[in-house]
This record gives sequence, structure tokens and C-alpha cells, in this order.
Amino acid sequence: DTGVSQNPRHKITKRGQNVTFRCDPISEHNRLYWYRQTLGQGPEFLTYFQNEAQLEKSRLLSDRFSAERPKGSFSTLEIQRTEQGDSAMYLCASSLSGAYRGEQYFGPGTRLTVT
Amino acid sequence: GNSVTQMEGPVTLSEEAFLTINCTYTATGYPSLFWYVQYPGEGLQLLLKATKADDKGSNKGFEATYRKETTSFHLEKGSVQVSDSAVYFCAPYSSASKIIFGSGTRLSIRP
Repeated sequence: DTGVSQNPRHKITKRGQNVTFRCDPISEHNRLYWYRQTLGQGPEFLTYFQNEAQLEKSRLLSDRFSAERPKGSFSTLEIQRTEQGDSAMYLCASSLSGAYRGEQYFGPGTRLTVT
Repeated sequence: GNSVTQMEGPVTLSEEAFLTINCTYTATGYPSLFWYVQYPGEGLQLLLKATKADDKGSNKGFEATYRKETTSFHLEKGSVQVSDSAVYFCAPYSSASKIIFGSGTRLSIRP
């Protein structure tokens, strides 16, 4: 068990560029979550997958954001036409559907800075 | 929907002091309650949990008791260490898939 991994760990981009982040969950976990955390705040839910199906999306996930989990394993989060307000830590978590769903295991996050 | 209010930080204590971080929540139904911890430079980790009224979650010397009558889940530790310096998040979880996190309480322990 290597835990949840996220790549890259840091990303600096210019406003208007597209960025993509990757999350590899714990291998036997069928649920995968994306959160966003800004400085001094708790993580905010963005979206959630069970296997390859995206089951819930937050209102925070504007049409510039898209997430995929094509084979039910790793997931990608893409932000198009980045804005300075997108600067945040993007967290991925995974869990087993049979476990208490609050017991999610988090990756180290990808810190995005939009200049 | 669910919401949580936790003690504002930062909280600064001396080593071996007693710690309490207050947390109250509002939730529909009967939520499970969690404390997550975020150490500097690391991802969020589940610290402890309680799933029904009067349950006590415990881990690494930390404890929290599920108080349904006061909708609270205060985190306590009898003797803190420098290594406990981190940000602590209270998090109720009920029927929705997402966890609702509080704003976090930053704890700093002086040697």
C-alpha cells in the first residue's frame, strides 16, 4: 500500500493556460474524491467518482473544470483558461465503498499557482 | 446541509499542556464525526472517528466524544508534544458523499 499519490506536487502557470493534475488512489479503493483547499481554509469538495462514474459535482466546479476517471483507477482534473482565483491546493482522496465514507485517505496535494 | 464550527486558531501551548479544540456541528440525520490532522508539508490524515452518540474516538493520545445532545465533538489531549503541531479539522459526515470540513485550527506547541 503506497497511499494516494498526486502529480505534480507543484504547478506554476500563467493565467489563461490549461493545467492537468493526476491522482492515483490506493489500488483497491473504488471511490475517488477531489477537493480544493485555499490558504487558511478547510478543504472544499469538488467532485466524486465511484469506479469510473462521476456521481456528484460541486457548484464550485465551473465549466472550466473537468475531471475524469476513465478506467476506474487513476483520475485527472483539468482546469482550462486558468484564473488567479484558481490558485489553491488540489487534494485527492480515495476510499472503499464498504467503509465509513468519511474515512477517506488523502494524497499530499498539488499546489497550483496562477500568475 | 451539514456545517461545522470549530475553535479559531492559532492555538499556542507549551509542551505537556492540556489541549481542547472545540467543535460543534449541524447535520441532518445521524452523522459520523471525524477529526483530521494536517502536519506541515503533508496530506490530511484521519486522526480519530466516532459513529454514534456517546462513542469516544481515540488515537495518539487524542480523544473526542460524540455528544449528540450538544452536537459537539471536542478534541482533547492530556499532554501535548511539539510533534502535535499541525492543523486540525473537525468533519461531520452523513448521507452525502463529501466530507464537510471546518476551517481548521492551527496548533503550535512550544518546547
